[in-house]
Formats: sequence, C-alpha cells, structure tokens
Amino acid sequence: EAGVTQSPTHLIKTRGQQATLRCSPISGHTSVYWYQQALGLGLQFLLWYDEGEERNRGNFPPRFSGRQFPNYSSELNVNALELEDSALYLCASSLVKFSGNTIYFGEGSWLTVV
Amino acid sequence: GENVEQHPSTLSVQEGDSAVIKCTYSDSASNYFPWYKQELGKGPQLIIDIRSNVGEKKDQRIAVTLNKTAKHFSLHITETQPEDSAVYFCAASGLSGAGSYQLTFGKGTKLSVIP
Repeated sequence: EAGVTQSPTHLIKTRGQQATLRCSPISGHTSVYWYQQALGLGLQFLLWYDEGEERNRGNFPPRFSGRQFPNYSSELNVNALELEDSALYLCASSLVKFSGNTIYFGEGSWLTVV
Repeated sequence: GENVEQHPSTLSVQEGDSAVIKCTYSDSASNYFPWYKQELGKGPQLIIDIRSNVGEKKDQRIAVTLNKTAKHFSLHITETQPEDSAVYFCAASGLSGAGSYQLTFGKGTKLSVIP
C-alpha cells in the first residue's frame, strides 16, 4: 500500500512568487496535516484538513493557505514568498480524526526561495 | 492547548550504550503518545507509540514508558547502533483550539551514535 506522497520533491521560487505543493494521503485516510520544518528546527503545525474542511490552523500568516479535494488529496499554497519560507514542507495523513490518531508523514517537499 | 517539552536537544552515545529521551506534556486529557524518527533529508517515521491505559511498551530495542501522574513519557533505545543516529520527536495528543484532538510535537532530539 502506498504511503503519503508529496510533489514536487524540490521547488525553487523567487521572492514574491507563489508556490503550490501537493499531497496524496494514504488510501482511506480522510485527514491531512501540513507542517513546516525550517532547517535544523522542529515541526511547526500549519494546517489540518478533514473531509474537505479546514479544522485548525497554526500560527502562520494568511498567505499560507490550502484546500482538500473530494478525493482527500490536498494542496498547500504559499503566496508572496519570502526568503524565510525556505523549508521542508511535510504532509501527513490519518484515519481517525479524534483522540489517539496516528499520523503518517510523507517525505516532504523542499521549497527554496531565492 | 497542549505543550510538549523534550530533553535533551542533542545526545551523543557510544555504540552499544543506551539512549534515553524524555518528554513532558501539559494537558492531563492527552491519551496518545507517539515517537517519530527522522533521518536526514526524509520525513518523520513512526517508530513506537503508547496509549494512556498502558505504562510501558517494547518493540525489540526500543521501549516507551508513560507516567500519567507526572505527565511525562520517555523513549529508551538499548544497544544503540550507528543507524539509530537521527532526530527523534515525541508528541502528545491533546485538545486543540479547534476542540478536536491533535498531535503536539516536541522540538526534537538529535541522537548521534559514535562507532
């Protein structure tokens, strides 16, 4: 069974541009989470989608947005890119949205802003 | 919301020795505690987890203990090997601001196993 898949693996953008990252959850999983991991730092929670709805949002500006599609895949959009947006963006999925939900991560998308 | 503290931030051990990473959490309602291993350039991988109705769980060289009264849990790796070198994250499932349970992660521990 395929795990969480993310694309693209690497992305280079210029400051001010927009970036779109995509995620396909494990088959049957309805929840998708996005995390930002800047170099050498921990996992910063960005967004949580479940059954097409945004359930929670981390402490990030509105230029970070996303959506979840009817097939539960998701995309993360980052507008007006800034140099400090350079990071590994991790997507994770889970089956159970309530307590005790195990989440499984993809390999991430590296975004470099120059 | 939940707050998870993880210590130490870096840990170096000799091959064959044991390694212990400790985490504390703030939300007494948290009931699920997974541990993830992240190798360089890869996404975090679940290595072991424990639920609040269990005090200890083992899987070969890895074990996790949970003390609900003190609100802390620990990862124990015995007979460490160079391939155990990675960043380890603990997490706790507590109530988020949205009113649903969500994992909150510690800041990570970089484990180096010296051959």
